[in-house]
Amino acid sequence: QVQLQESGPGLVKPSQTLSLTCTVSGGSISSTNDYWTWIRQHPGKGLEWIGYIYHSGSTYYNPSLKSRVTISRDTSKNQFSLKLSSVTAADTAVYYCVREIDTGTFDPWGQGTLVTVSS
Amino acid sequence: QSALTQPASVSGSPGQSITISCTGTSSDVGGYNYVSWYQQHPGKVPKLMIYEVSNRPSGVSNRFSGSKSGNTASLTISGLQAEDEADYYCTSYTSSTTRVFGGGTKVTVL
Repeated sequence: QVQLQESGPGLVKPSQTLSLTCTVSGGSISSTNDYWTWIRQHPGKGLEWIGYIYHSGSTYYNPSLKSRVTISRDTSKNQFSLKLSSVTAADTAVYYCVREIDTGTFDPWGQGTLVTVSS
Repeated sequence: QSALTQPASVSGSPGQSITISCTGTSSDVGGYNYVSWYQQHPGKVPKLMIYEVSNRPSGVSNRFSGSKSGNTASLTISGLQAEDEADYYCTSYTSSTTRVFGGGTKVTVL
């Protein structure tokens, strides 16, 4: 059974780069036709799709974040990562790493990690 | 991309049925059968309830059902129970190859 776990700093200063890693167990990020995805949720708000890295290594991002987002992977560690540059307080959110199986079907989800942007 | 439109809140009494709508456009909900629904209890991780418009994952109660007509998808909860009180989100694939979520609906069991 696939499980995902986010890791990374819980506090980032404004203008810096937010960096998170998702460790996947129970399945390989490079051998299945899945999309390895980042989704965030602002405090008390709804869900926002950030983007994904496909099993082939190709990526796709939310147009509203595209200029600041990079999703990459380390297949040797079975991990994929999120970098979000030039952060502001508006980027404060719970960040989830998620597997997308079949188009638009997000399952399972990591536990989520709260990232606060503050000086 | 614009978020899909969901009602902010829906309520019902135990045992009743409620329906949550999710309205998009022909470029997302109306154009593809890739609509899914998620349940999120406070402080918890979203849980997949319905995928590809009307399919229910193993382990999800058959009280939950999904459908679509035109640009609007719907989630129906029948035999409403106290444990169904939660936030519900829809999501859809889009013609831009992105994914878009609805704003979420708070379900209250009266």
